[in-house]
Amino acid sequence: EPEVTQTPSHQVTQMGQEVILRCVPISNHLYFYWYRQILGQKVEFLVSFYNNEISEKSEIFDDQFSVERPDGSNFTLKIRSTKLEDSAMYFCASSAGSYNEQFFGPGTRLTVL
Amino acid sequence: AQKITQTQPGMFVQEKEAVTLDCTYDTSDQSYGLFWYKQPSSGEMIFLIYQGSYDEQNATEGRYSLNFQKARKSANLVISASQLGDSAMYFCAMREGTKSFQKLVFGTGTRLLVSP
Repeated sequence: EPEVTQTPSHQVTQMGQEVILRCVPISNHLYFYWYRQILGQKVEFLVSFYNNEISEKSEIFDDQFSVERPDGSNFTLKIRSTKLEDSAMYFCASSAGSYNEQFFGPGTRLTVL
Repeated sequence: AQKITQTQPGMFVQEKEAVTLDCTYDTSDQSYGLFWYKQPSSGEMIFLIYQGSYDEQNATEGRYSLNFQKARKSANLVISASQLGDSAMYFCAMREGTKSFQKLVFGTGTRLLVSP
């Protein structure tokens, strides 16, 4: 069964460093998303991406964040200068259509020291 | 105001019994969707079931069913014949209307523990 994959599974970085989280969505899906979950808290929407551009973003998704689809398969989330409060599990998701269910990847646990 | 409310931080059920996990939502949109996801201890988010606001029948997927009461704005998840592998966090989520149709808003979750 097709699935969303994410790399790395765990990333440790120093405050102020740039990180890139990678995702490979399900191949025939058109909509891509990033969510985050701070430990012990609920899942929060960050951004959605369609047709090579951001279609919606939350207030969390400030200028430190960017997303890109560099080729036909990868979808990346970049955090330019990480802060301690960026420590969280980051989930990538994809869906076939805007109203379809979103399938989540296994997540990348980001730890900022 | 919370868009999605899950009032049960934890639930216990014995294997083979049914359990209902509560979810209430708040929206003024006529068109919306409700989702349930399971998060085992390994951390991944697994899609379980979906209910559209215009669906007249309650959604079912195997042992999962959704008790959708539109007037009460509730979308409770019913798990029948619980299994040990059902022990996990369960999140209710909503996609609202046409303004923000791609964003899922999640509740705080319910931790389900299934005992032998």
